[in-house]
Amino acid sequence: GAVVSQHPSWVICKSGTSVKIECRSLDFQATTMFWYRQFPKQSLMLMATSNEGSKATYEQGVEKDKFLINHASLTLSTLTVTSAHPEDSSFYICSTKFQENQPQHFGDGTRLSIL
Amino acid sequence: AQSVTQLGSHVSVSEGALVLLRCNYSSSVPPYLFWYVQYPNQGLQLLLKYTTGATLVKGINGFEAEFKKSETSFHLTKPSAHMSDAAEYFCAVRTGANSKLTFGKGITLSVRP
Repeated sequence: GAVVSQHPSWVICKSGTSVKIECRSLDFQATTMFWYRQFPKQSLMLMATSNEGSKATYEQGVEKDKFLINHASLTLSTLTVTSAHPEDSSFYICSTKFQENQPQHFGDGTRLSIL
Repeated sequence: AQSVTQLGSHVSVSEGALVLLRCNYSSSVPPYLFWYVQYPNQGLQLLLKYTTGATLVKGINGFEAEFKKSETSFHLTKPSAHMSDAAEYFCAVRTGANSKLTFGKGITLSVRP
């Protein structure tokens, strides 16, 4: 069964709206979670590393104030796209790394469409 | 720095034919290598991984991959393609337990009846 639950799976909203995406680790504690963005027919681009109890680490070129990440518990990380615009439309995927030397497990992704 | 190269963007095979998806990596230290599959509007599912030990790795759904250090390759194969194998496939590399996962650009596999 799934080890990572991501919600919602699909969001359509108006420009200027803020959207929150949740990523939950099931049955285990995840001190580290990753957030990726994927454009159509392209690979996953790491946006940020979410660390439980501390500030997220953002990749170069990713706006911290635009993509707010909160990792307040060992099982939940959230990504909030603030004041979303059409160019923010994309597929957002979270993943966890719950054990050293083990692969990451991915959520099913969130399709965000900004009108 | 680490990187992954997946040549080509699309591979088409007939049902029952051999599947070969190529992946080459660049890493200054021994890598951890992964293949993931992605179905439309879904996240990534791990097919198989190489960390240490046996260089021929078997994964789910009949896929396997062989780590060849001399060729810096980790090609994915399946002896007989099934229609359900049609998806996007990503090769990825990590160079340590705490390093980031770097993905190739992915390759679309189509299976013809």
